[in-house]
Amino acid sequence: NAGVMQNPRHLVRRRGQEARLRCSPMKGHSHVYWYRQLPEEGLKFMVYLQKENIIDESGMPKERFSAEFPKEGPSILRIQQVVRGDSAAYFCASSPLSRTGELFFGEGSRLTVL
Amino acid sequence: GDSVTQMEGPVTLSEEAFLTINCTYTATGYPSLFWYVQYPGEGLQLLLKATKADDKGSNKGFEATYRKETTSFHLEKGSVQVSDSAVYFCALSDGGVYNFNKFYFGSGTKLNVKP
Repeated sequence: NAGVMQNPRHLVRRRGQEARLRCSPMKGHSHVYWYRQLPEEGLKFMVYLQKENIIDESGMPKERFSAEFPKEGPSILRIQQVVRGDSAAYFCASSPLSRTGELFFGEGSRLTVL
Repeated sequence: GDSVTQMEGPVTLSEEAFLTINCTYTATGYPSLFWYVQYPGEGLQLLLKATKADDKGSNKGFEATYRKETTSFHLEKGSVQVSDSAVYFCALSDGGVYNFNKFYFGSGTKLNVKP
């Protein structure tokens, strides 16, 4: 049973480049969440997606950040024109549809912007 | 809105000491409560959960009781080990208006256990 798979685990980008982070949820899970963890800080909610729908993007920065979860394939978090402040660990989690369900986390993608 | 507040760290203990990490929450509905643990360089793993008032979640010697009257979900362990060194996150899940999960996490408490 594969868990939540994220790739790449580590990504280095120069300022102004684009970063794409991918997340494949656990089998049978149709809900995906993205969280950002800045160094020495807690998790900050970014976006919550269902297949082909963005349910809640209240934690996404208004510019440069976007997320999708297509009918086929992984969820993608895209950061355009990266800046040093985007350096963080980005965690994806998935869940089944359940009021008492838990989140299952991937191992994270660590983005470093030079 | 919903939120979770947990004690700041780091918490440093000697092996076999008693552990308490405080967590309180604010929620408009009837949330489920969770403790997640993050080991260095890894993602978060569910440690335990409780889905209604007075429930006690337990796992690996850790316990937490859902106290609605004090809106708390404190994490305890009677005798910590070096291998328990990690960051612990308290979280709540509120089904919300659309019956979807939305999770709120505390800022995390780093635990260091010394031999």
